Amino acid sequence: GENVEQHPSTLSVQEGDSAVIKCTYSDSASNYFPWYKQELGKRPQLIIDIRSNVGEKKDQRIAVTLNKTAKHFSLHITETQPEDSAVYFCAASKNTGGYNKLIFGAGTRLAVHP
Amino acid sequence: NAGVTQTPKFQVLKTGQSMTLQCAQDMNHEYMSWYRQDPGMGLRLIHYSVGAGITDQGEVPNGYNVSRSTTEDFPLRLLSAAPSQTSVYFCASSYRPAESYGYTFGSGTRLTVV
Repeated sequence: GENVEQHPSTLSVQEGDSAVIKCTYSDSASNYFPWYKQELGKRPQLIIDIRSNVGEKKDQRIAVTLNKTAKHFSLHITETQPEDSAVYFCAASKNTGGYNKLIFGAGTRLAVHP
Repeated sequence: NAGVTQTPKFQVLKTGQSMTLQCAQDMNHEYMSWYRQDPGMGLRLIHYSVGAGITDQGEVPNGYNVSRSTTEDFPLRLLSAAPSQTSVYFCASSYRPAESYGYTFGSGTRLTVV
């Protein structure tokens, strides 16, 4: 089955710096790659996603890139702010029997210091 | 429109006890799923459902049962609780296809088995 590895497990940056989180996946048939942000004690929330027919997607300060050949995708956050501090999860899925079974990475704890 | 509602928010069980975690959504979502979240391991899929009457196993189904008698409800049953089932449990739902609409998570149930 699908396996998703996520690095680093923790990331500490200064406010205004950029942050990059990387994920690799094992199943070449995976075609959907969302990123979730989870603040302390809260539920995960979708922040951006990318499909396999696209190489890059941007939404204001966040962007995701996908390299299908290498089977990895990354989250880029520019001009980080303290409110970006959270745990970020990547996930991968493919449509199996009409259902996209999301498999998550282990998470990256991002700390943005003022 | 309450979204995805999980009850209870907190629960302490003794080893061997049984209980049901409740999940309800009022968005007419076809897809529903249960994840458990453990430190350093991300979110792992327990069971999922693509519609009323249809369920299937995820990555870590042992010790858990589910049923989906209505579109709205997807309860998770622990038959005989074990300390290894101490975790935070999240229910998630989505329209079909999930990759076009994203998953909506409930607020979670924190379960401790002593």
